[in-house]
Amino acid sequence: GIQVEQSPPDLILQEGANSTLRCNFSDSVNNLQWFHQNPWGQLINLFYIPSGTKQNGRLSATTVATERYSLLYISSSQTTDSGVYFCAVPHSYGNEKLTFGTGTRLTIIP
Amino acid sequence: DAGVTQSPTHLIKTRGQQVTLRCSPISGHKSVSWYQQVLGQGPQFIFQYYEKEERGRGNFPDRFSARQFPNYSSELNVNALLLGDSALYLCASSILWVNTEAFFGQGTRLTVV
Repeated sequence: GIQVEQSPPDLILQEGANSTLRCNFSDSVNNLQWFHQNPWGQLINLFYIPSGTKQNGRLSATTVATERYSLLYISSSQTTDSGVYFCAVPHSYGNEKLTFGTGTRLTIIP
Repeated sequence: DAGVTQSPTHLIKTRGQQVTLRCSPISGHKSVSWYQQVLGQGPQFIFQYYEKEERGRGNFPDRFSARQFPNYSSELNVNALLLGDSALYLCASSILWVNTEAFFGQGTRLTVV
């Protein structure tokens, strides 16, 4: 099955800072999702982004499918951005069983 | 519109007992998937159901079973609970079973003592 790696594993930033989270995957994918897991465990959808770039407020994401990576940008961080960020891709091409990365734990300090 | 709803939110069981977790998908979604997330790791796929048929099974023992009802809600059953089954169980729904965005419920936190 596909392998998904995320970096960095941990990130501690001051409020207002910008950050870039990376997701590398080992095989071709037809979709990719980014999630934010809040302290209560809820996975919140951030982006559904098989390729290209999308923006939603202070967050944006870029997926370069041919090079097998995706980036999540967070600008002007707020304390509410703290939590674990996961990327997830289908287990195999065309298969919607998601394989999750190991996550990036982001801590925003006031 | 209501999102994906799961019940119960928390559960404590004793080793050897059986547990049933429930999930209601977003209205109009026909696919339900179950994931297990142990502390410090990403979610791991358990089952996927679409139109009441099993579409996939992850690497979990036969103690884990699931089903999907005509209204597309789903149940996950775990028999003969082990301490290692303690985890957050997440349900995801999507419109189709391929090439669509998955939306997750708030999860059921199961503790086995």
